[in-house]
Amino acid sequence: EVQLVESGGGLVQPGGSLRLSCAASGFTFSSYVINWVRQTPERGLEWVSAITGGGGKTYYADSVKGRFSVSRDNSKNTVDLQMNNLGADDTAIYYCVRIRSSFYDYWGQGTQVTVSS
Amino acid sequence: DIQMTQSPSSMSASVGDRVTITCRASQGISNNLAWLQQKPGKAPKPLIYGASSLQSGVPSKFSGSGSGTDFTLTISSLQPEDFGTYYCQQYSSSPYTFGQGTKLEIK
Repeated sequence: EVQLVESGGGLVQPGGSLRLSCAASGFTFSSYVINWVRQTPERGLEWVSAITGGGGKTYYADSVKGRFSVSRDNSKNTVDLQMNNLGADDTAIYYCVRIRSSFYDYWGQGTQVTVSS
Repeated sequence: DIQMTQSPSSMSASVGDRVTITCRASQGISNNLAWLQQKPGKAPKPLIYGASSLQSGVPSKFSGSGSGTDFTLTISSLQPEDFGTYYCQQYSSSPYTFGQGTKLEIK
């Protein structure tokens, strides 16, 4: 069974940092692109970042470029999202999502990130 | 970025009804469209990909159609468990974008 489990969310002050992690199981992890998608009531679902199966290529939404960094460890089946210089607009539920032929076929349960003083 | 517009934004329907939700892309996306269902407090669940192909395990009461810019999701014979919010998503051009959602309530 494919599973994606996010962790690392929480409350952080503006300007602070947080590192999210996604632990995967049930599939050949290194064969799949993994995305991060976030959701807020105001902006809905928003793609944040992507990393290829081998980890050699990474992609970011303009809104997070230069502040967020995605990495993966295929020996541990994990993907991390390092988030720096966080602002109120980064408050959201963050989902780890597997991609199959560009289709988002499995989603994690999400982790809440709240940026507030 | 490609804009995805869904209609209606919300609706209510009775058990047994046939329900149709539409999604329009701001430019052609071929059939690179997915539909997702989300229930409160849960992650989105993919229902359909390639505009009309059912994701594994999804009941056949869900169907999708369309190509280019106009797409529809149809739920035949609505059941109480079908309440929730439905989203379309294009994966033709990066960044992949989502519609604003259609909240479906059961009368």
